[in-house]
Amino acid sequence: SFELTQPPSVSVSPGQTANIPCSGDKLGETFICWYQQRPGQSPVLVIYQDTNRPSGIPERFSASVSGDTATLTISGTQPIDEADYYCQAWDNTRVFGGGTKLIVL
Amino acid sequence: EVHLLESGGGLIEPGGSLRLSCAASGFIFGDYALSWIRQAPGKGLEWVSSISGSGGNTYYADSVKGRFTISRDNSKNTLYLQMDSLRVEDMGMYYCAKPEGWGWHSWGQGTLVTVSS
Repeated sequence: SFELTQPPSVSVSPGQTANIPCSGDKLGETFICWYQQRPGQSPVLVIYQDTNRPSGIPERFSASVSGDTATLTISGTQPIDEADYYCQAWDNTRVFGGGTKLIVL
Repeated sequence: EVHLLESGGGLIEPGGSLRLSCAASGFIFGDYALSWIRQAPGKGLEWVSSISGSGGNTYYADSVKGRFTISRDNSKNTLYLQMDSLRVEDMGMYYCAKPEGWGWHSWGQGTLVTVSS
């Protein structure tokens, strides 16, 4: 079955750029979304259809896909961005990656 | 503004049944597919099931196929998830979510299901 792999955690200093990777063998064959989940809250869509940002999501959030890897990029990371981030593929199983905890320190 | 409100969670013994509901507002309910997504305590997100706007097409994760049934009542703007033969591994927060194109843009606050004897 299709699987998406994310690192358990990524650390970044405030104001710097955070890159969160998501890899999968068939990643290029489907669209990828990214969700942010703060502790105790519901997930929030931050990127859909590979690179699109929903209304209300800050411009510092962007994403790209190259080969078998999708990457969520947060430019000028702020302490409020500390959260879990999940990639998700729109294949038959709607699979999610395991999630990456972004640590801003 | 889209609003999704889940209910029906609670404590249930293994092997038991539970029906979750998701009351929706802020959009033309019957025009949109809807989904259930769950999250075990301290774990990641897992898609559970989806249903088309008319209710004529349903989809399930292998982990729940044959035990869970998704349905909707478009006259009541409500989505349901009937969960039978519950297992400990079904425990977690259950969210209903509304997709727009390729992304779940709207999520409810979730309802907690605890499976324990």
